[in-house]
Amino acid sequence: QLQLQESGPGLVKPSETLSLTCIVSGGSINTRSHYWGWVRQSPGKGLEWIGSIYYSGSTYYNPSLRSRLIMSIDTSNNQFSLKVTSVSAADTGVYYCATTRAEGDFFDYWGQGSLVTVSS
Amino acid sequence: DIQMTQSPSTLSASVGDRVTITCRASESISTWLAWYQQKPGKAPKLLIYKASSLQSGVPSRFSGSGSGTEFTLTISSLQTDDFATYYCQQYQSYSPITFGQGTRLEIK
Repeated sequence: QLQLQESGPGLVKPSETLSLTCIVSGGSINTRSHYWGWVRQSPGKGLEWIGSIYYSGSTYYNPSLRSRLIMSIDTSNNQFSLKVTSVSAADTGVYYCATTRAEGDFFDYWGQGSLVTVSS
Repeated sequence: DIQMTQSPSTLSASVGDRVTITCRASESISTWLAWYQQKPGKAPKLLIYKASSLQSGVPSRFSGSGSGTEFTLTISSLQTDDFATYYCQQYQSYSPITFGQGTRLEIK
């Protein structure tokens, strides 16, 4: 059974870059059967899909965030990463990494979540 | 983007009750809909995908139905463990993934 674990700083200053990594265990990230994604949750906006990446490195992003996103995948270390540039207080929330199946973009495995606060 | 609207926002019910939560899409999404359960401080848990397919390990008292723009999640006989917040999510291929705003199921 897949297990996902987010890691990264819990506090980021406004205008700086938020960086998170998701380490995957219990299976290989180098697979055609899953996409690897990020979802965030904030009191003001509920659950919001950020973007997803395939083992090949192809990405698809939420258009509302696309200009500030960089996602990457490291198949050697079985992990994938998220960067959000030029953050503001609106980017504060719990960030989850999660998998979707190739058959459809529903999230079947989730990490426990990482709280990120944007504040000076 | 496709907007997802859940009703009610809050639902009060008792153990043993049958409850239904509704999710409406702003345009047709065929059956590209999932339901999740979330408890405080925890990640969402997948219950249903493709509108009516039960995720492995999820109790059979949970069921989903619908197609097009209107969907329902039904819990046939509420258990104590079911009091949580429920979210729908659409995954129509040409549109960004979006979630409903959530339905909080609380003990009456």
